Amino acid sequence: QQQVKQSPQSLIVQKGGIPIINCAYENTAFDYFPWYQQFPGKGPALLIAIRPDVSEKKEGRFTISFNKSAKQFSLHIMDSQPGDSATYFCAASRPRGKLIFGQGTELSVKP
Amino acid sequence: DAGVTQSPTHLIKTRGQQVTLRCSPKSGHDTVSWYQQALGQGPQFIFQYYEEEERQRGNFPDRFSGHQFPNYSSELNVNALLLGDSALYLCASSPGHNYGYTFGSGTRLTVV
Repeated sequence: QQQVKQSPQSLIVQKGGIPIINCAYENTAFDYFPWYQQFPGKGPALLIAIRPDVSEKKEGRFTISFNKSAKQFSLHIMDSQPGDSATYFCAASRPRGKLIFGQGTELSVKP
Repeated sequence: DAGVTQSPTHLIKTRGQQVTLRCSPKSGHDTVSWYQQALGQGPQFIFQYYEEEERQRGNFPDRFSGHQFPNYSSELNVNALLLGDSALYLCASSPGHNYGYTFGSGTRLTVV
């Protein structure tokens, strides 16, 4: 019940495309759902996060869609650029709890 | 404003040895969490420190221990190193029990 399942494992898109990464969770006590971006040799950096009382959140080119009834959430990257090539992790947390990470998605944006 | 600072950046140790990793949290943050990230995997929670006490612990053996100092900095100690302890060790800080974790760049530990 503590798992967060992420898909796909890897993704290749052309510049300008809209990659979509999906995550699913089981624990309904989770109330914080962030997405992190990680470049090789660096720590994860927070991109955007959502709480379960909101169905969608946009920050720049990044959008989270949240489906509370399905216990799923996804990340959309609009107008993707080669500089977006990185590993993306979804995560979930209970109040005052630890972050539970998905397995990660390696995104490659081709010029 | 400095973010989370970890030292050292890289470390090579021999099986059976002990290692200490260090973390300085982001200014204004008083809670420090440690994560282990194996190659190709998501980070796994080790433990969290707040007010100099271990508040939560993940599924890691007692060989993993930690400490938080009055200035909120923290150390992660691993005893009797195993080959499987080779990983990127990440420190994350946050303000109190609020969300908004900031991660450091990590310490790459290699056990040979």
